[in-house]
Amino acid sequence: AQSVSQHNHHVILSEAASLELGCNYSYGGTVNLFWYVQYPGQHLQLLLKYFSGDPLVKGIKGFEAEFIKSKFSFNLRKPSVQWSDTAEYFCAVTPDSNYQLIWGAGTKLIIKP
Amino acid sequence: NAGVTQTPKFRVLKTGQSMTLLCAQDMNHEYMYWYRQDPGMGLRLIHYSVGEGTTAKGEVPDGYNVSRLKKQNFLLGLESAAPSQTSVYFCASSSFGLANNEQFFGPGTRLTVL
Repeated sequence: AQSVSQHNHHVILSEAASLELGCNYSYGGTVNLFWYVQYPGQHLQLLLKYFSGDPLVKGIKGFEAEFIKSKFSFNLRKPSVQWSDTAEYFCAVTPDSNYQLIWGAGTKLIIKP
Repeated sequence: NAGVTQTPKFRVLKTGQSMTLLCAQDMNHEYMYWYRQDPGMGLRLIHYSVGEGTTAKGEVPDGYNVSRLKKQNFLLGLESAAPSQTSVYFCASSSFGLANNEQFFGPGTRLTVL
């Protein structure tokens, strides 16, 4: 069965630290990849997405992610986090032949001021 | 535009009671989805719809029914609630086509079944 793995369930960082959240998926074909974010008390919103082309994609609020096909990975990065980045982050994958999203379990990120 | 709205925001049910969750979107999207979110498990798809009058089962459909009588609305029903259905329910919508598969989410409904 297709699955998405997010390696860290909880991450705690200090402001200005660099961030990398891991995401791996199990599907051998073409995929579309997403990172969604859920800020406290808010609904899920799209952070960034990859469909094709440059494997390094940039999203909102200084986030970026790199698609490495050989590693089945789509890790999220930010060079310097802020307290306002405290949120839960979800990786999701759509196999190209299917419009259903397969979700990772999420990573709760806490930024200490 | 309101985007995707859900009613109610909170609900407490007793085991065996029934209820309907309403999702509405004003983006003219073809696709609509119902998910449940449980701690440590991410989102799991309950049912989805690819257009008015159509519905299909997702990953965890048991105990739920849905209807899409109008394009803008997607209803999720629990006929006989069970404690295992305590969860946060999210509705989402997306436009037609794989290339536009970004899903837009509602604020969620927190349901507790006692």
